[in-house]
Amino acid sequence: DAGITQSPRHKVTETGTPVTLRCHQTENHRYMYWYRQDPGHGLRLIHYSYGVKDTDKGEVSDGYSVSRSKTEDFLLTLESATSSQTSVYFCAISDMEPPAGTQYFGPGTRLTVL
Amino acid sequence: AQSVTQPDIHITVSEGASLELRCNYSYGATPYLFWYVQSPGQGLQLLLKYFSGDTLVQGIKGFEAEFKRSQSSFNLRKPSVHWSDAAEYFCAVGAWKSNNNDMRFGAGTRLTVKP
Repeated sequence: DAGITQSPRHKVTETGTPVTLRCHQTENHRYMYWYRQDPGHGLRLIHYSYGVKDTDKGEVSDGYSVSRSKTEDFLLTLESATSSQTSVYFCAISDMEPPAGTQYFGPGTRLTVL
Repeated sequence: AQSVTQPDIHITVSEGASLELRCNYSYGATPYLFWYVQSPGQGLQLLLKYFSGDTLVQGIKGFEAEFKRSQSSFNLRKPSVHWSDAAEYFCAVGAWKSNNNDMRFGAGTRLTVKP
Protein backbone atom coordinates (compact mmCIF):
# COMPACT_ATOMS: atom_id res chain seq x y z
CA ASP A 1 0.00 0.00 0.00
CA ALA A 2 1.11 3.51 -0.78
CA GLY A 3 2.30 5.39 2.28
CA ILE A 4 -0.50 7.88 2.79
CA THR A 5 -1.87 8.96 6.12
CA GLN A 6 -4.62 11.40 6.92
CA SER A 7 -5.19 13.21 10.18
CA PRO A 8 -7.41 13.43 12.02
CA ARG A 9 -9.40 10.35 11.02
CA HIS A 10 -12.54 11.66 12.67
CA LYS A 11 -13.52 15.17 13.66
CA VAL A 12 -16.66 16.82 14.96
CA THR A 13 -16.76 20.60 14.89
CA GLU A 14 -19.23 23.43 15.04
CA THR A 15 -20.44 25.71 12.28
CA GLY A 16 -18.18 28.69 11.79
CA THR A 17 -15.00 27.18 13.18
CA PRO A 18 -11.87 26.70 11.08
CA VAL A 19 -10.76 23.16 10.33
CA THR A 20 -7.54 21.84 8.82
CA LEU A 21 -7.11 18.34 7.51
CA ARG A 22 -3.68 16.94 6.83
CA CYS A 23 -2.49 14.49 4.21
CA HIS A 24 1.00 13.08 4.58
CA GLN A 25 2.79 10.85 2.09
CA THR A 26 6.06 8.98 2.22
CA GLU A 27 6.18 8.11 -1.51
CA ASN A 28 7.65 11.39 -2.77
CA HIS A 29 4.89 11.60 -5.39
CA ARG A 30 4.54 14.91 -7.13
CA TYR A 31 0.76 15.07 -7.48
CA MET A 32 -1.67 15.24 -4.58
CA TYR A 33 -5.45 15.57 -4.48
CA TRP A 34 -8.27 16.28 -2.06
CA TYR A 35 -11.71 14.77 -2.66
CA ARG A 36 -14.94 14.71 -0.74
CA GLN A 37 -17.27 11.72 -0.80
CA ASP A 38 -21.00 12.09 -0.33
CA PRO A 39 -23.79 9.55 -0.86
CA GLY A 40 -25.14 9.72 -4.38
CA HIS A 41 -22.25 11.85 -5.62
CA GLY A 42 -19.28 9.55 -5.56
CA LEU A 43 -16.04 11.46 -5.14
CA ARG A 44 -15.68 15.08 -6.16
CA LEU A 45 -12.37 16.82 -6.61
CA ILE A 46 -11.82 19.82 -4.33
CA HIS A 47 -8.24 20.88 -5.05
CA TYR A 48 -5.08 19.33 -6.38
CA SER A 49 -1.38 20.05 -6.41
CA TYR A 50 1.31 19.66 -9.02
CA GLY A 51 4.13 20.26 -6.61
CA VAL A 52 5.29 22.45 -3.77
CA LYS A 53 3.36 25.74 -3.73
CA ASP A 54 1.60 24.72 -6.97
CA THR A 55 -2.12 24.11 -6.52
CA ASP A 56 -5.29 24.41 -8.53
CA LYS A 57 -9.03 24.22 -8.06
CA GLY A 58 -11.21 21.24 -8.71
CA GLU A 59 -14.92 20.80 -9.25
CA VAL A 60 -16.08 21.82 -5.75
CA SER A 61 -13.46 24.23 -4.41
CA ASP A 62 -15.73 26.92 -2.93
CA GLY A 63 -15.24 27.19 0.83
CA TYR A 64 -11.93 25.31 0.78
CA SER A 65 -8.30 26.32 0.53
CA VAL A 66 -5.15 24.23 0.33
CA SER A 67 -1.47 24.60 0.92
CA ARG A 68 1.57 22.55 0.06
CA SER A 69 4.81 23.81 1.53
CA LYS A 70 6.53 20.43 1.44
CA THR A 71 6.33 17.55 -1.02
CA GLU A 72 5.01 15.20 1.62
CA ASP A 73 2.22 17.34 3.09
CA PHE A 74 -0.98 18.67 1.55
CA LEU A 75 -3.30 20.59 3.86
CA LEU A 76 -6.99 21.22 3.30
CA THR A 77 -8.54 24.11 5.23
CA LEU A 78 -12.15 24.98 5.78
CA GLU A 79 -11.92 28.61 6.86
CA SER A 80 -15.40 28.65 8.37
CA ALA A 81 -17.01 25.23 8.40
CA THR A 82 -20.63 24.82 7.36
CA SER A 83 -23.00 21.87 7.74
CA SER A 84 -22.83 21.29 3.97
CA GLN A 85 -19.16 20.42 4.41
CA THR A 86 -20.03 17.39 6.52
CA SER A 87 -18.48 14.63 4.46
CA VAL A 88 -15.75 12.06 4.19
CA TYR A 89 -12.57 13.58 2.82
CA PHE A 90 -10.00 11.57 0.91
CA CYS A 91 -6.49 12.47 -0.05
CA ALA A 92 -4.87 10.83 -3.05
CA ILE A 93 -1.38 10.86 -4.55
CA SER A 94 0.02 10.07 -7.98
CA ASP A 95 3.44 9.95 -9.56
CA MET A 96 2.11 10.61 -13.06
CA GLU A 97 0.55 13.71 -14.50
CA PRO A 98 -3.24 13.80 -14.40
CA PRO A 99 -5.46 12.55 -15.80
CA ALA A 100 -3.35 9.54 -16.74
CA GLY A 101 -1.83 8.79 -13.38
CA THR A 102 -3.14 6.10 -11.09
CA GLN A 103 -4.27 7.69 -7.87
CA TYR A 104 -3.55 6.05 -4.52
CA PHE A 105 -5.97 6.95 -1.79
CA GLY A 106 -5.58 7.53 1.91
CA PRO A 107 -7.94 6.04 4.51
CA GLY A 108 -10.17 9.12 4.70
CA THR A 109 -11.26 11.65 7.32
CA ARG A 110 -14.85 11.73 8.49
CA LEU A 111 -15.81 15.34 9.27
CA THR A 112 -19.07 16.28 10.97
CA VAL A 113 -20.06 19.94 11.19
CA LEU A 114 -22.82 20.57 13.70
CA ALA B 1 -21.17 18.94 -19.69
CA GLN B 2 -18.83 16.13 -18.74
CA SER B 3 -20.48 13.40 -16.71
CA VAL B 4 -20.13 9.82 -15.53
CA THR B 5 -23.16 7.65 -14.91
CA GLN B 6 -23.37 4.39 -13.05
CA PRO B 7 -26.99 3.38 -13.61
CA ASP B 8 -27.13 0.75 -10.87
CA ILE B 9 -26.98 2.00 -7.30
CA HIS B 10 -27.05 -1.49 -5.78
CA ILE B 11 -26.57 -4.95 -7.27
CA THR B 12 -26.92 -8.32 -5.56
CA VAL B 13 -25.41 -11.45 -7.05
CA SER B 14 -24.88 -14.96 -5.78
CA GLU B 15 -21.38 -16.18 -5.09
CA GLY B 16 -20.01 -17.85 -8.20
CA ALA B 17 -22.29 -15.95 -10.54
CA SER B 18 -21.03 -13.56 -13.19
CA LEU B 19 -21.03 -9.82 -12.68
CA GLU B 20 -21.32 -6.78 -14.91
CA LEU B 21 -21.28 -3.23 -13.57
CA ARG B 22 -22.23 -0.50 -15.98
CA CYS B 23 -20.53 2.83 -16.59
CA ASN B 24 -21.44 5.43 -19.19
CA TYR B 25 -19.66 8.72 -19.73
CA SER B 26 -20.15 11.91 -21.61
CA TYR B 27 -16.93 13.62 -22.65
CA GLY B 28 -15.79 15.58 -25.65
CA ALA B 29 -12.84 13.37 -26.47
CA THR B 30 -11.64 9.91 -25.57
CA PRO B 31 -11.01 10.17 -21.89
CA TYR B 32 -8.91 8.18 -19.49
CA LEU B 33 -11.11 5.54 -17.85
CA PHE B 34 -10.72 3.90 -14.45
CA TRP B 35 -12.50 1.49 -12.15
CA TYR B 36 -11.87 1.71 -8.41
CA VAL B 37 -13.15 -0.45 -5.56
CA GLN B 38 -13.83 0.71 -2.01
CA SER B 39 -14.24 -1.69 0.87
CA PRO B 40 -16.18 -0.44 3.91
CA GLY B 41 -14.25 2.17 5.87
CA GLN B 42 -11.38 2.15 3.40
CA GLY B 43 -10.01 4.35 0.68
CA LEU B 44 -10.28 3.50 -3.00
CA GLN B 45 -8.10 0.98 -4.77
CA LEU B 46 -7.52 0.89 -8.53
CA LEU B 47 -8.87 -2.22 -10.30
CA LEU B 48 -7.93 -1.29 -13.86
CA LYS B 49 -7.57 1.60 -16.28
CA TYR B 50 -7.81 2.29 -20.00
CA PHE B 51 -6.07 4.94 -22.05
CA SER B 52 -5.73 3.50 -25.53
CA GLY B 53 -5.03 0.28 -27.42
CA ASP B 54 -6.82 -2.99 -26.78
CA THR B 55 -10.34 -2.14 -25.68
CA LEU B 56 -10.54 -5.12 -23.32
CA VAL B 57 -8.54 -4.38 -20.21
CA GLN B 58 -7.50 -6.85 -17.53
CA GLY B 59 -7.22 -5.77 -13.94
CA ILE B 60 -6.53 -7.12 -10.51
CA LYS B 61 -8.68 -9.65 -8.62
CA GLY B 62 -9.93 -11.23 -11.87
CA PHE B 63 -11.78 -8.15 -13.11
CA GLU B 64 -11.87 -6.93 -16.69
CA ALA B 65 -13.51 -4.01 -18.46
CA GLU B 66 -14.36 -3.26 -22.05
CA PHE B 67 -14.26 0.17 -23.65
CA LYS B 68 -16.95 0.68 -26.27
CA ARG B 69 -16.55 4.02 -27.97
CA SER B 70 -19.84 3.78 -29.90
CA GLN B 71 -21.75 3.32 -26.65
CA SER B 72 -19.59 5.63 -24.50
CA SER B 73 -19.37 2.78 -22.03
CA PHE B 74 -16.71 1.14 -19.90
CA ASN B 75 -18.41 -1.78 -18.16
CA LEU B 76 -16.69 -3.86 -15.51
CA ARG B 77 -17.03 -7.64 -15.54
CA LYS B 78 -16.03 -10.66 -13.53
CA PRO B 79 -16.90 -14.23 -14.57
CA SER B 80 -17.29 -15.63 -11.05
CA VAL B 81 -17.88 -13.44 -8.01
CA HIS B 82 -16.37 -14.23 -4.62
CA TRP B 83 -17.82 -13.15 -1.27
CA SER B 84 -14.78 -10.89 -0.78
CA ASP B 85 -15.84 -8.85 -3.83
CA ALA B 86 -18.64 -7.25 -1.82
CA ALA B 87 -17.77 -3.56 -1.87
CA GLU B 88 -18.60 -0.32 -3.62
CA TYR B 89 -17.32 0.18 -7.15
CA PHE B 90 -16.61 3.50 -8.77
CA CYS B 91 -16.08 4.32 -12.41
CA ALA B 92 -13.94 7.40 -13.01
CA VAL B 93 -13.15 9.44 -16.08
CA GLY B 94 -10.31 11.87 -16.51
CA ALA B 95 -9.51 14.40 -19.20
CA TRP B 96 -7.93 17.75 -19.77
CA LYS B 97 -10.52 20.48 -19.89
CA SER B 98 -9.54 24.09 -20.59
CA ASN B 99 -5.95 23.33 -19.59
CA ASN B 100 -7.18 22.02 -16.26
CA ASN B 101 -7.40 18.58 -14.76
CA ASP B 102 -10.97 17.30 -14.86
CA MET B 103 -11.50 14.05 -12.98
CA ARG B 104 -15.03 12.82 -12.44
CA PHE B 105 -16.28 9.85 -10.49
CA GLY B 106 -19.59 8.09 -10.85
CA ALA B 107 -21.90 7.84 -7.85
CA GLY B 108 -20.88 4.24 -7.28
CA THR B 109 -22.49 0.80 -7.37
CA ARG B 110 -22.73 -1.18 -4.16
CA LEU B 111 -22.27 -4.91 -4.69
CA THR B 112 -23.76 -7.43 -2.30
CA VAL B 113 -22.75 -11.08 -2.66
CA LYS B 114 -25.19 -13.75 -1.48
CA PRO B 115 -23.81 -17.06 -0.17
